[in-house]
Amino acid sequence: GAGVSQTPSNKVTEKGKYVELRCDPISGHTALYWYRQSLGQGPEFLIYFQGTGAADDSGLPNDRFFAVRPEGSVSTLKIQRTERGDSAVYLCASSPENTDTQYFGPGTRLTVL
Amino acid sequence: QQQVKQSPQSLIVQKGGISIINCAYENTAFDYFPWYQQFPGKGPALLIAIRPDVSEKKEGRFTISFNKSAKQFSLHIMDSQPGDSATYFCAPSWGNMLTFGGGTRLMVKT
Repeated sequence: GAGVSQTPSNKVTEKGKYVELRCDPISGHTALYWYRQSLGQGPEFLIYFQGTGAADDSGLPNDRFFAVRPEGSVSTLKIQRTERGDSAVYLCASSPENTDTQYFGPGTRLTVL
Repeated sequence: QQQVKQSPQSLIVQKGGISIINCAYENTAFDYFPWYQQFPGKGPALLIAIRPDVSEKKEGRFTISFNKSAKQFSLHIMDSQPGDSATYFCAPSWGNMLTFGGGTRLMVKT
């Protein structure tokens, strides 16, 4: 079956602009996660959804970052007033109910000029 | 990520050799101990995982050894192959949040 998909695969923007990154989880997966991976480092947790609600958003670095999952499937990560330090690969993962395995998408590479 | 430390940062192994990657953690609340494999341009993929009620788990050429008292676990890759060349991450968790280590870049030479 289809895996987790993320769009766009690459996004280049200018400092101060607003961006949206989209994640389509595996069909039927109830949990959805966003991580950020800087060059040469391991992914860092941002936010976790169970269904439509954000169950844990403790990893969001500041209030410029926001994520939604209005119908419990597709999720959008929104970044306002982008900064050069936001440049990274943004990874999305999903998992079925009552399992620990997270299935990752290929990521969106965000470059802020 | 300071909670989870991987070593070595990079590793070169001859084809057919054994690759060993170590992970040390601080948070005693962790209850799930996976290793993820990541190829360039791809997302991480689960390789093998262990629960703290067992000390070792083997799946094919991959083995996890877990030492709860030392707060360490390791990945052993037997008969390493060029196709194993990738970056490996330990990512212990409790609840639903994976806490990734810094990664180990493995290169298997022919």
